[in-house]
Amino acid sequence: EPEVTQTPSHQVTQMGQEVILRCVPISNHLYFYWYRQILGQKVEFLVSFYNNEISEKSEIFDDQFSVERPDGSNFTLKIRSTKLEDSAMYFCASRETGTGVWTEAFFGQGTRLTVV
Amino acid sequence: TQLLEQSPQFLSIQEGENLTVYCNSSSVFSSLQWYRQEPGEGPVLLVTVVTGGEVKKLKRLTFQFGDARKDSSLHITAAQPGDTGLYLCAGDPGSSYKLIFGSGTRLLVRP
Repeated sequence: EPEVTQTPSHQVTQMGQEVILRCVPISNHLYFYWYRQILGQKVEFLVSFYNNEISEKSEIFDDQFSVERPDGSNFTLKIRSTKLEDSAMYFCASRETGTGVWTEAFFGQGTRLTVV
Repeated sequence: TQLLEQSPQFLSIQEGENLTVYCNSSSVFSSLQWYRQEPGEGPVLLVTVVTGGEVKKLKRLTFQFGDARKDSSLHITAAQPGDTGLYLCAGDPGSSYKLIFGSGTRLLVRP
């Protein structure tokens, strides 16, 4: 069964450092997403990406965040200068389509980011 | 801003009991999904409801979408310890590219 894979599963970084979280979406999917979940809180939307550009982003997704699809298979989330409050589980998801016709969003297993 | 409110937040029941989890909003959603999430893992889709008034059954789980497509419920019959987990509802506004998640219901089924 096709799946979304994320690496690493756990990343520990020092405050102020840059991190890149990596995702390989399902191959025939066109829409890609990053969500985050702070421990004990709800899953929050960060950004959606389609046709090599951001479709929508939340207030959380400020100038410290960026996304990229560098090579046609990977989808990355970069945090330029991490803060303690960036510590969370980050989930990547992909879908065949975005709006109009609903299709299932498949989620990866997540990357646990710990900022110390 | 569209919000999804889930209730209850926590539920601890005895094996064999029935339970209902609610997901409510003041906004209309084009579809609504129920996910289950295990600790340290990503959400896994259980079901999608699309049509107002729709009812879907998945073994002992019954999902309903409200007529106005603003609310949904998940009913579990004869709960088992294996049902323990975090249940999330998520809505597709239809005019956006994102899913909006509820805050989740943490279910514990005691043997």
